[in-house]
Amino acid sequence: AQKVTQAQTEISVVEKEDVTLDCVYETRDTTYYLFWYKQPPSGELVFLIRRNSFDEQNEISGRYSWNFQKSTSSFNFTITASQVVDSAVYFCALRRYNQGGKLIFGQGTELSVKP
Amino acid sequence: EPEVTQTPSHQVTQMGQEVILRCVPISNHLYFYWYRQILGQKVEFLVSFYNNEISEKSEIFDDQFSVERPDGSNFTLKIRSTKLEDSAMYFCASRSDREGTDTQYFGPGTRLTVL
Repeated sequence: AQKVTQAQTEISVVEKEDVTLDCVYETRDTTYYLFWYKQPPSGELVFLIRRNSFDEQNEISGRYSWNFQKSTSSFNFTITASQVVDSAVYFCALRRYNQGGKLIFGQGTELSVKP
Repeated sequence: EPEVTQTPSHQVTQMGQEVILRCVPISNHLYFYWYRQILGQKVEFLVSFYNNEISEKSEIFDDQFSVERPDGSNFTLKIRSTKLEDSAMYFCASRSDREGTDTQYFGPGTRLTVL
């Protein structure tokens, strides 16, 4: 069975702090994809990153970085120098490598960045 | 930039009534999805649709639900007889079938309220 766990339900930080959102996944597949989506207070789901299981290279995009470690089945997301606009719910998701390709979401982590 | 659109943004209905939620996927995408998110909870997969048929559906997607692609641009979700527990945000998503560009992009959602 496939499963995604985001153990941190809520995180509160002060602006300019760094924050890491944890994501642990379970799958027996050897090929799969991992995603992060952001859900701001307005409610839409905004795609942030997609990762293939065979590509463990970490990625940085501006203040965002992602650490993918197959050995621990984790795909953690770090925001450096957080800003108030980063306040949102962040979802980690897993997708099997098959035709249908449904996303299996974690519970989400609500990040609150205070000025 | 192309995007998924959904109408209406908010639908209020009486229990037992039929509702149709509409989506216009990104034009060159071939896979279509419906997800739902009950308030404060995670995003849950309902159904995926490819080549004019359902490719996968979840346990939630029972006989009360149906999907259709009535023309070349719209993708609809019908709930035949709504229940109170159907109140949720419903997201449509689409993706291409090309490897490497098959991220699912989500619409802004339709908030369904069943009274």
